Amino acid sequence: DIQMTQSPSSLSASVGDRVTITCQASHDISNYLNWYQQKPGKAPKLLIFGASNLETGVPSRFSGSGSGTDFTFSISSLQPEDIATYYCQNYDSLPIFTFGPGTKVDIK
Amino acid sequence: QVHLVESGGGVVQPGRSLRLSCAGSGFTFRNYGMHWVRQAPGKGLEWVAGIWNDGRNQNYADSVRGRFTISRDNSKGTLFLQMTSLRAEDTAVYYCASDRSSRLLDHWGQGTLVTVSP
Repeated sequence: DIQMTQSPSSLSASVGDRVTITCQASHDISNYLNWYQQKPGKAPKLLIFGASNLETGVPSRFSGSGSGTDFTFSISSLQPEDIATYYCQNYDSLPIFTFGPGTKVDIK
Repeated sequence: QVHLVESGGGVVQPGRSLRLSCAGSGFTFRNYGMHWVRQAPGKGLEWVAGIWNDGRNQNYADSVRGRFTISRDNSKGTLFLQMTSLRAEDTAVYYCASDRSSRLLDHWGQGTLVTVSP
């Protein structure tokens, strides 16, 4: 089974800061990696698919990169509405999905 | 626009059964894979089960395999999760989500809470 790890588990940053979250897979997953945002009390929302593709309607300050085992999610300029927990998620061919443990982002 | 509405949650005793439903609208339901994802109180997301658009293939997380059954009725645009032999650790908000390409969860419902307690 593939294991997903994320770091950090939480972070605080100022409005306008660049924020970066990393996700690591236990073995090569190519670009089979998606990123979700979950605001408090709400359902998750798809932001990035295929490691680097921005979902329709998602602001361009969000981006993703990586392949193989190491992936990065970034917010170029943190906004107050970006307070949320962010999850990476892998999928296989069946499909079976595996989520990372999440990274909680708040405003300093 | 895509709209997913879960129902059927509630409080149930350990060992009992419960059936969740998810009604889809605003999209061609039969063209999408569908999934259930849960979130225990204060915890992260856990994928539970998925089903192909035509219903011919189902997959489950190890934690629920043999106890939960995912199914769908494309004629009614509805997804189901039959949960049996419920345990305290099944307590969670259960979300249904659509999957346009067998690779991602592109739309989510608001969730329904299942509490397993004596």
